Amino acid sequence: QKEVEQNSGPLSVPEGAIASLNCTYSDRGSQSFFWYRQYSGKSPELIMSIYSNGDKEDGRFTAQLNKASQYVSLLIRDSQPSDSATYLCAVNKGSQGNLIFGKGTKLSVKP
Amino acid sequence: DAGITQSPRHKVTETGTPVTLRCHQTENHRYMYWYRQDPGHGLRLIHYSYGVKDTDKGEVSDGYSVSRSKTEDFLLTLESATSSQTSVYFCAISPGRTYQETQYFGPGTRLLVL
Repeated sequence: QKEVEQNSGPLSVPEGAIASLNCTYSDRGSQSFFWYRQYSGKSPELIMSIYSNGDKEDGRFTAQLNKASQYVSLLIRDSQPSDSATYLCAVNKGSQGNLIFGKGTKLSVKP
Repeated sequence: DAGITQSPRHKVTETGTPVTLRCHQTENHRYMYWYRQDPGHGLRLIHYSYGVKDTDKGEVSDGYSVSRSKTEDFLLTLESATSSQTSVYFCAISPGRTYQETQYFGPGTRLLVL
């Protein structure tokens, strides 16, 4: 089993819809979970972090964590064409801050 | 880009030549990382540093070496570049105080090995 798995997509949603991005991880000891957004040709930028079970909201973004199911998701409400990018899930490995990244899900928001 | 610069931003080199990439930060963060990003593989950790002169290997360290003689600079060296090292290289930094600290990425270096 890969350490961090994401559907590669592309995920296509119409403008104004909710985009749902999913990520599963294998290390039950993981404690911190991050979502990065990466536009084509650019570097990853952090959009959300989550450490406890449940939901965390920041503007149009909601991260959801379920440690029992080893599952973390990102919801984007009122999706905009500017949200079109690749979304990377990252999970900490061990006691240090090293992160393991999924391969990313490409999101396309159609006007 | 959180006070991180990478140089050069683009480089074309020939197989067998040495290449050094530089990462410079102005945040005084303890941790620095080098990743490579390739289609189908995502971001993979090459080496990281947890302090001056303190470095360790990541997932794909073969063919790469690193050095950190100052807090602000982290160098990645390809001793003898190969075509398989054609990639986009990202540097990242983190305060590293707790497991909750995230990593912030530099703008990247596109390396083409012919």
